[in-house]
Amino acid sequence: DVVMTQSPLSLPVTLGQPASISCRSSQSLVYSDGNTYLNWFQQRPGQSPRRLIYKVSNRDSGVPDRFSGSGSGTDFTLKISRVEAEDVGVYYCMQGTHWPWTFGQGTKVEIK
Amino acid sequence: EVQLVQSGAEVKKPGESLKISCKGSGYSFTSYWIGWVRQMPGKGLEWMGIIYPGDSDTRYSPSFQGQVTISADKSISTAYLQWSSLKASDTAMYYCVMDFGVWGQGTLVTVSS
Repeated sequence: DVVMTQSPLSLPVTLGQPASISCRSSQSLVYSDGNTYLNWFQQRPGQSPRRLIYKVSNRDSGVPDRFSGSGSGTDFTLKISRVEAEDVGVYYCMQGTHWPWTFGQGTKVEIK
Repeated sequence: EVQLVQSGAEVKKPGESLKISCKGSGYSFTSYWIGWVRQMPGKGLEWMGIIYPGDSDTRYSPSFQGQVTISADKSISTAYLQWSSLKASDTAMYYCVMDFGVWGQGTLVTVSS
């Protein structure tokens, strides 16, 4: 299985400050069609996960533009330009290139 | 509105069978795969398997192969996840997901004697 490794696992942030989460895969996530199927999900407390970013850097409809994704190959990053209170939760990267698809361990974002 | 609506919470005893459901609406049910994701208490997300309702092609994660059965009834736009003999370790929240972007509300399964 492809192992997805996130860091940090806990991220205390100050409101209005930026935050960054790293995700590394144990092998390249470039699929045979040329796409890289790397997604980012947010799970707020008590809620279902919600996809924020698909194919590395594409924001889902309704996702604030303070969220951005970048990366290639095996190294990926989710950035929040200015953290707001509603961003508290656990963030997961997930690869959809190799079956079985796999999630990272999750990064818990909390307000300092 | 595209949505997935899951069946309600279940409390079962070890050894019992269970089938939970996920009904899709607002889109062409046969055109997108549906997957199942497990989240054990206080833990992360794990893919269990996926099904393409159009032709019932099914894939299981090796960790769940032989442990559960995934199926779908396209006539009623519903996917299923079932167990023939539950264990206490099956206690978890189970989510259905369509094409990564649409998630059900989750079904909490509690297995306890």
